[in-house]
Amino acid sequence: DAGVTQSPTHLIKTRGQHVTLRCSPISGHKSVSWYQQVLGQGPQFIFQYYEKEERGRGNFPDRFSARQFPNYSSELNVNALLLGDSALYLCASSLTGTRRSSPLHFGNGTRLTVT
Amino acid sequence: ILNVEQSPQSLHVQEGDSTNFTCSFPSSNFYALHWYRWETAKSPEALFVMTLNGDEKKKGRISATLNTKEGYSYLYIKGSQPEDSATYLCAGRNDMRFGAGTRLTVKP
Repeated sequence: DAGVTQSPTHLIKTRGQHVTLRCSPISGHKSVSWYQQVLGQGPQFIFQYYEKEERGRGNFPDRFSARQFPNYSSELNVNALLLGDSALYLCASSLTGTRRSSPLHFGNGTRLTVT
Repeated sequence: ILNVEQSPQSLHVQEGDSTNFTCSFPSSNFYALHWYRWETAKSPEALFVMTLNGDEKKKGRISATLNTKEGYSYLYIKGSQPEDSATYLCAGRNDMRFGAGTRLTVKP
């Protein structure tokens, strides 16, 4: 079975540009979460979507937005890129929208570099 | 404690040593506590999801305990092997906030 897939794997953008990152969850998983990971820190929660609705939002500016499609895949959009947005962006899917019993299944991430 | 905190930040042990590390989290409004292993060049992999006070879970040589009243969880590795080298992450709070991780290096 295919795991969580993310694209692209690497991306280089210039300050001020816009970026779209994509994620396909494991088949049957209806929840997708996005995380930002910078060196020395744990993954920082950005968004969770379940059944195409936003279920949670982390402490990120409005330049960050996301959506989930009817096939449960998801996009993360970041506008007006800043140098500080350079990070590894992880997508994770889970079976249900609650975290009580459903572990997260992570993709390999998209490495974004902003110059 | 407002955030999820892990200690130590890094750990170097010899092959065969047993080791443990700590995850501290806010005890109020506890929801669930997750442990993940993150090996270099791979994606984080779920180890345990723990929800009940006093929970103990085991997977091979790795086990974890949970104390929701005082807000901590321990991860134990018995007889560490080089392949156990990884960053171990815990996540808690309702918003699945991750700690910074404990980076374990097991020397042959």
